[in-house]
Amino acid sequence: EAGVAQSPRYKIIEKRQSVAFWCNPISGHATLYWYQQILGQGPKLLIQFQNNGVVDDSQLPKDRFSAERLKGVDSTLKIQPAKLEDSAVYLCASSLAGGPTTDTQYFGPGTRLTVL
Amino acid sequence: DAKTTQPPSMDCAEGRAANLPCNHSTISGNEYVYWYRQIHSQGPQYIIHGLKNNETNEMASLIITEDRKSSTLILPHATLRDTAVYYCIVRVAHLLTNAGKSTFGDGTTLTVKP
Repeated sequence: EAGVAQSPRYKIIEKRQSVAFWCNPISGHATLYWYQQILGQGPKLLIQFQNNGVVDDSQLPKDRFSAERLKGVDSTLKIQPAKLEDSAVYLCASSLAGGPTTDTQYFGPGTRLTVL
Repeated sequence: DAKTTQPPSMDCAEGRAANLPCNHSTISGNEYVYWYRQIHSQGPQYIIHGLKNNETNEMASLIITEDRKSSTLILPHATLRDTAVYYCIVRVAHLLTNAGKSTFGDGTTLTVKP
């Protein structure tokens, strides 16, 4: 089966600019996650969707980050305006979410963002 | 959510078993232990998970202590391609949403040497 798709793979912007990342989860997966991974650290959950509803966005910097999952399939994560400290890899993951035994997350390759 | 503690780095000789420990002393009864690994420049990859019984699949074995406060991931015959960062996480299942929460730490960097 096809895996989680993300685009673009790389993005370089200047601070105060805007940027958007796109994620297409595995077909049939109800739960979608966005993570931020700073170099040398583990992934940090930014937001979690169950279908098109938000389950957890407690660590999303809402003054500059936004995410949506229209129609419960694809998702977009936006940063506006970007700061230097937003330089990181942004990972998207999805899971079937039928319960804990089917909650294995499958990750995409990530988008590497560099803010200059 | 329970936190996990892992050593920052480990070495292993190629062909030998790699045993990666994880401490999760505050784990709750409904939390599963999951292991993922991340090879350089790729997204994390699922390895194995368990609740209280030992588990084995084609990639690895997971040994969970009886009190569930720690676990060990075993790669029985490590190869150079197993060099990666290994993450142990505990995952809460929210019964109302059937969606789990998880927190990744900084993991263990395993280096397999020839």
